Amino acid sequence: GQQVMQIPQYQHVQEGEDFTTYCNSSTTLSNIQWYKQRPGGHPVFLIQLVKSGEVKKQKRLTFQFGEAKKNSSLHITATQTTDVGTYFCAGPWDAGGTSYGKLTFGQGTILTVHP
Amino acid sequence: SAVISQKPSRDICQRGTSLTIQCQVDSQVTMMFWYRQQPGQSLTLIATANQGSEATYESGFVIDKFPISRPNLTFSTLTVSNMSPEDSSIYLCSVTHGGTEAFFGQGTRLTVV
Repeated sequence: GQQVMQIPQYQHVQEGEDFTTYCNSSTTLSNIQWYKQRPGGHPVFLIQLVKSGEVKKQKRLTFQFGEAKKNSSLHITATQTTDVGTYFCAGPWDAGGTSYGKLTFGQGTILTVHP
Repeated sequence: SAVISQKPSRDICQRGTSLTIQCQVDSQVTMMFWYRQQPGQSLTLIATANQGSEATYESGFVIDKFPISRPNLTFSTLTVSNMSPEDSSIYLCSVTHGGTEAFFGQGTRLTVV
């Protein structure tokens, strides 16, 4: 599968500050997905982006997919303590039907929010 | 959506022993995926479990170490064999919806001592 790089690895913010995590793929992606994993929990699907240049919003969260479909970002406006967790981007494996359903995950960004 | 029940949720095991992790899905799915998440790290795919055929393992993972069963379309097990402290990780089973959105079990937090 392709490599998916995600930065930063860690982000500490004060409550109310904004937060952004970036994801870059070594190859063009058919779609990109974002997941959130709370401390001690399992990854939970947030959203999928499919179209070049797509922007989607979920309340304070804004997701973007790059024009070349190789990069993506997640931006959180005015963070809250409930935003704490690790945010992963994930892309489907390239190549063939045998890869159907497989995902390559970025390294994740661990977000800490200080009240 | 899919609901996945995974157990055990955590275990502490002696080195050299084996642990079998079970995942039950509330609907029939063709493929189930097993991931490993080492402490503070990302998710790495171990293998894909298809019903009626042998599991497909990714680079770095072998059947002797991580045997998988898939007796029907709603159930799978992953065994971590002959464990060492390096096997201490979170193990997650997963299914996808339409080949994209992934649903995960609660995870098994394994500590090998």
